[in-house]
Amino acid sequence: GDSVTQMEGPVTLSEEAFLTINCTYTATGYPSLFWYVQYPGEGLQLLLKATKADDKGSNKGFEATYRKETTSFHLEKGSVQVSDSAVYFCALRSGAGSYQLTFGKGTKLSVIP
Amino acid sequence: GAGVSQSPSNKVTEKGKDVELRCDPISGHTALYWYRQSLGQGLEFLIYFQGNSAPDKSGLPSDRFSAERTGGSVSTLTIQRTQQEDSAVYLCASSTGGTDTIYFGEGSWLTVV
Repeated sequence: GDSVTQMEGPVTLSEEAFLTINCTYTATGYPSLFWYVQYPGEGLQLLLKATKADDKGSNKGFEATYRKETTSFHLEKGSVQVSDSAVYFCALRSGAGSYQLTFGKGTKLSVIP
Repeated sequence: GAGVSQSPSNKVTEKGKDVELRCDPISGHTALYWYRQSLGQGLEFLIYFQGNSAPDKSGLPSDRFSAERTGGSVSTLTIQRTQQEDSAVYLCASSTGGTDTIYFGEGSWLTVV
């Protein structure tokens, strides 16, 4: 079945540091890939997505590239801010009309001034 | 409203009692999902509604869990005879169609004591 594996946290970085959160997946067909973010006390929000191989999703300075050859969708940001402190979830939806999202376990990021 | 609305935001109940959690999806969204977020377990799919089609209940963990969606809009998730392992955040989400971007509510935090 489908699965998503992301690096376990927590991750603690200083402000302006470079961020990478690794995500790899197993899926049938050609999945769409997503990063969701959950800020403290809030619901899940879509951060970015990519629907086919080599697509790059980007939003709020975050980027992730859909790498079919390595089945990966790593999240990166060049310079994190304290306001980026949150839990980040990688997710996939299998192709061909599938509607379920399969999530990773989440990675908690704390950015300190 | 502008987003997915869930109530109550927090619920503490005694073991063995029944609870109902409510979800009001984004207006016009035909697809509605329930997920469960347990500590350290990521997000677990529970049930999916799409229009007037029969719901996909494949993720419900036991027959103590049920959900309905009235008039294609508001949904209620019911947990009967609650157990301590039911303690989790229950997330509702909606989308315009089965494969479109899914938008999440802020969740209902259930604690069974």
